Amino acid sequence: DGGITQSPKYLFRKEGQNVTLSCEQNLNHDAMYWYRQDPGQGLRLIYYSQIVNDFQKGDIAEGYSVSREKKESFPLTVTSAQKNPTAFYLCASRGDMNTEAFFGQGTRLTVV
Amino acid sequence: QQQVKQSPQSLIVQKGGIPIINCAYENTAFDYFPWYQQFPGKGPALLIAIRPDVSEKKEGRFTISFNKSAKQFSLHIMDSQPGDSATYFCAASDDYGNNRLAFGKGNQVVVIP
Repeated sequence: DGGITQSPKYLFRKEGQNVTLSCEQNLNHDAMYWYRQDPGQGLRLIYYSQIVNDFQKGDIAEGYSVSREKKESFPLTVTSAQKNPTAFYLCASRGDMNTEAFFGQGTRLTVV
Repeated sequence: QQQVKQSPQSLIVQKGGIPIINCAYENTAFDYFPWYQQFPGKGPALLIAIRPDVSEKKEGRFTISFNKSAKQFSLHIMDSQPGDSATYFCAASDDYGNNRLAFGKGNQVVVIP
């Protein structure tokens, strides 16, 4: 089955810890995205990558880091510098231009 | 800075009604305008999308109307059903530029039986 997989589904983190969210796709898509979703805020872009070994900051990149060492993988690290990390995180991928973005099922991160 | 502005924030309609969600954008380089549907605890899924060379597109009970001069587009849900109760997001991208996909804040639609 082709698709995009995020793991874990739920994640708890203590304050001051870094945590990495996984995103893997087997759709052979070049572009991948990370969004953060908070109630009433919609989907806010954290980072995106159009090609391996290249990525750009989105609107709310502070406190986050990413890597794109492989086409199928785009992990997101939420660092201790992120002031309010509790949120629902969504990863997406896209193929050619003007095509559908496919989303994973999301990771709900809670800081305890 | 919100690149895509969506209104209203929430809608409650009776079954069979036609909820309408509006979106506005500023960036004239945007050339792809999708709508996504999201159910609680799930990732969004593409509902329907339009390009600026057409003014309307229908897929089943869902219709997008696009007004290029006003830089606005809207989603109409015909003969709405309780199963349509979800959050709807409009989005836009500049696919010949940086391939960045910007979303609106979302609109919660509730269809009452």
